[in-house]
Amino acid sequence: DTAVSQTPKYLVTQMGNDKSIKCEQNLGHDTMYWYKQDSKKFLKIMFSYNNKELIINETVPNRFSPKSPDKAHLNLHINSLELGDSAVYFCASSQYFTGRPGNEQFFGPGTRLTVL
Amino acid sequence: AQKVTQAQTEISVVEKEDVTLDCVYETRDTTYYLFWYKQPPSGELVFLIRRNSFDEQNEISGRYSWNFQKSTSSFNFTITASQVVDSAVYFCALSENVQGAQKLVFGQGTRLTINP
Repeated sequence: DTAVSQTPKYLVTQMGNDKSIKCEQNLGHDTMYWYKQDSKKFLKIMFSYNNKELIINETVPNRFSPKSPDKAHLNLHINSLELGDSAVYFCASSQYFTGRPGNEQFFGPGTRLTVL
Repeated sequence: AQKVTQAQTEISVVEKEDVTLDCVYETRDTTYYLFWYKQPPSGELVFLIRRNSFDEQNEISGRYSWNFQKSTSSFNFTITASQVVDSAVYFCALSENVQGAQKLVFGQGTRLTINP
């Protein structure tokens, strides 16, 4: 069974379009994340939700809007796509225990977004 | 602010050689967690190890070993008797707890190529 899944795996679209990436985890985790990996492989956190509440928002343009309908899902909607949005987007999840915050994050397979 | 530096952008060795990947971090937290992730050519991110700041014991897992030195803020990763399958980009990361979510700050990654 896939622990963290993302759809689609590849997304090719024109500038100006709106697109969404979906993420689902079946690990029972409370916390989910979106990361962006640019063409130089640099990984940076974008958002994090804990129990459907937005916890981390890392100065991402407001064209990016995460939505968490429930604990197991965290979707990423991007409006007015720009060339610079081309990247690989990774979803991740982790479990938080009070007093033991350092649990590993499990990553999805990534979605490669290409904006033409 | 949290920062992770992996000064080695690319390393290339011949199979069966030992190789060490360096990781230096900066944090003001007294409690923190360090991670190593592997990203093979297929693109997924694979968790390798977690280490908390209170545990300075070195760890060995098969051909992999990790050397955590708080005095020098380093968390280096050694692969013994490297194999072609070890070829990947390796990321060191530092976590910051933010209201139940973990913000992972990644280094730039080290691309390791093992030549037959």
